[in-house]
Amino acid sequence: DAGVTQSPTHLIKTRGQQVTLRCSPKSGHDTVSWYQQALGQGPQFIFQYYEEEERQRGNFPDRFSGHQFPNYSSELNVNALLLGDSALYLCASSSDRDGYTFGSGTRLTVV
Amino acid sequence: RKEVEQDPGPFNVPEGATVAFNCTYSNSASQSFFWYRQDCRKEPKLLMSVYSSGNEDGRFTAQLNRASQYISLLIRDSKLSDSATYLCVVNRRTNAGKSTFGDGTTLTVKP
Repeated sequence: DAGVTQSPTHLIKTRGQQVTLRCSPKSGHDTVSWYQQALGQGPQFIFQYYEEEERQRGNFPDRFSGHQFPNYSSELNVNALLLGDSALYLCASSSDRDGYTFGSGTRLTVV
Repeated sequence: RKEVEQDPGPFNVPEGATVAFNCTYSNSASQSFFWYRQDCRKEPKLLMSVYSSGNEDGRFTAQLNRASQYISLLIRDSKLSDSATYLCVVNRRTNAGKSTFGDGTTLTVKP
């Protein structure tokens, strides 16, 4: 299956720590978007990467940063974790000819 | 006010019922519209795109009213397997770029 792969699936971190989440896009997709979904809410757009550059960014602080690699895979980094960063982090890949395909997400718990 | 608003529900309906969800959006420049389905603790999955002329896929019908800036989803002959959260999604471009999600409407279909 050439769907979107995210790792890890679950993660527990302590306040103040840093975390890196990873995403491999669907085969044929060149764009990766990251979303944060808190319990009971819809996904909130963090940022989107295309051609290894951040193309768009949502209303998230600079503690949230990312990277896209030449093979289109992507990382989301969060520094100085807060309790409020606990959420499901979703990666979605897409291309000009194809809409979003979501990965199954990384569930981050900050304690 | 949120850019995309949905009635959170929950909607509790018996099998075989017809149920309709509405979604309003505030940005008149929005270009593309979608309904996604999200099962508990899973990733969102595309249910259908929404076109100005309206579109139907089996028991599901989606409508777009640009003048009033709302989108609707009608589910006929509800099945137990339709129980999920339905997310309304709006994009300012026909492809790529940031997609804005509503917080979802929860549907429970009961025997």
